[in-house]
Amino acid sequence: QKEVEQNSGPLSVPEGAIASLNCTYSDRGSQSFFWYRQYSGKSPELIMSIYSNGDKEDGRFTAQLNKASQYVSLLIRDSQPSDSATYLCAVNKPGGYNKLIFGAGTRLAVHP
Amino acid sequence: DGGITQSPKYLFRKEGQNVTLSCEQNLNHDAMYWYRQDPGQGLRLIYYSQIVNDFQKGDIAEGYSVSREKKESFPLTVTSAQKNPTAFYLCASSVTGGSEPQHFGDGTRLSIL
Repeated sequence: QKEVEQNSGPLSVPEGAIASLNCTYSDRGSQSFFWYRQYSGKSPELIMSIYSNGDKEDGRFTAQLNKASQYVSLLIRDSQPSDSATYLCAVNKPGGYNKLIFGAGTRLAVHP
Repeated sequence: DGGITQSPKYLFRKEGQNVTLSCEQNLNHDAMYWYRQDPGQGLRLIYYSQIVNDFQKGDIAEGYSVSREKKESFPLTVTSAQKNPTAFYLCASSVTGGSEPQHFGDGTRLSIL
């Protein structure tokens, strides 16, 4: 079992729809969870951080965390073609320094 | 503007050659990291440093070396011992190396000649 798992996609959604991206992790002790957006050929850009169970909203983005189920998700409302990118889930590995384990990413395609 | 600067953007390595990738940050962050990204894969940690003059191996350190002589700088050398160096290399930093997020530079794409 991978430490951080994401569906590779592509996830295809029409413009204006809600895109739902999911991530599961294996270490119950993880406390910090991040979503990064990576456009093709570019570096990852942080879009959301979440540390507590529940929802965290920032503009069109909502991160949801359920530690009991070891599950973190990202919702993108009113999806735009400019949201088309690969979304990386990153989870901290407890113990010592801030080691982040990255999932392989989910490719999102928003079509007009 | 504060940020992380990686150079060069593209780099070509000849057989048997060592090459050095530069990473400079002006965010006053204590912790710095080097990752490697291969197509369709997640980021894998090569080395990290939480403080000047100290660094630790990550998951795939073989064939790589680093130094941390200044807080702002964390160069990565890809040695000839790294037999498959073609990848996208990303430098990141974080405030203290605690639970806060890491922020990335624009990356260096390394290829074999």
